[in-house]
Amino acid sequence: DQQVKQNSPSLSVQEGRISILNCDYTNSMFDYFLWYKKYPAEGPTFLISISSIKDKNEDGRFTVFLNKSAKHLSLHIVPSQPGDSAVYFCAAIANFGNEKLTFGTGTRLTIIP
Amino acid sequence: EAEVAQSPRYKITEKSQAVAFWCDPISGHATLYWYRQILGQGPELLVQFQDESVVDDSQLPKDRFSAERLKGVDSTLKIQPAELGDSAMYLCASSPMAQATGELFFGEGSRLTVL
Repeated sequence: DQQVKQNSPSLSVQEGRISILNCDYTNSMFDYFLWYKKYPAEGPTFLISISSIKDKNEDGRFTVFLNKSAKHLSLHIVPSQPGDSAVYFCAAIANFGNEKLTFGTGTRLTIIP
Repeated sequence: EAEVAQSPRYKITEKSQAVAFWCDPISGHATLYWYRQILGQGPELLVQFQDESVVDDSQLPKDRFSAERLKGVDSTLKIQPAELGDSAMYLCASSPMAQATGELFFGEGSRLTVL
């Protein structure tokens, strides 16, 4: 049972344009959502997060939007840069950390110069 | 900047052999996690330690996998015997405490290939 889903395995975006990565979840008990970024041959690194009590969180070029009624979140990167090329994992956690972190399958983002 | 150290980075072994992976978390981090990432999938938790105690090993295949963190610092994950389906990236992560917000610090991982 895949509780966190990233339906787009890959995405290509022109440098300077907006990248939008999407994530859907099924568990209504999730109360914190995160995005991790992973370069080849490296471990994932935390990028940005959002609490279920908010609908938007912004950090520089990165903004995460949460639509609880649709059980959907998205990561916006603007403007996209070549260094943003990586695999992005959506993740969620429930019960204020008493449940384990659940990851999606990832989306490979390629920024075209 | 403090990092989670893992070794070996790469391991190739034959089916039925034993393998071991080592992880040294960021100093002072009480919580340590072992994740497995199969190609094309997201990381999946195998085991979580709080200090030297196992908090969650519900997804650890205990017939062949074992994990320990004897002194509450570094940790070892062992597979014996290895099977073809164990080929994956094994990721260690740590956090100052069981993170309510899910923010973990990952090592570079150990890539296992079972032939």
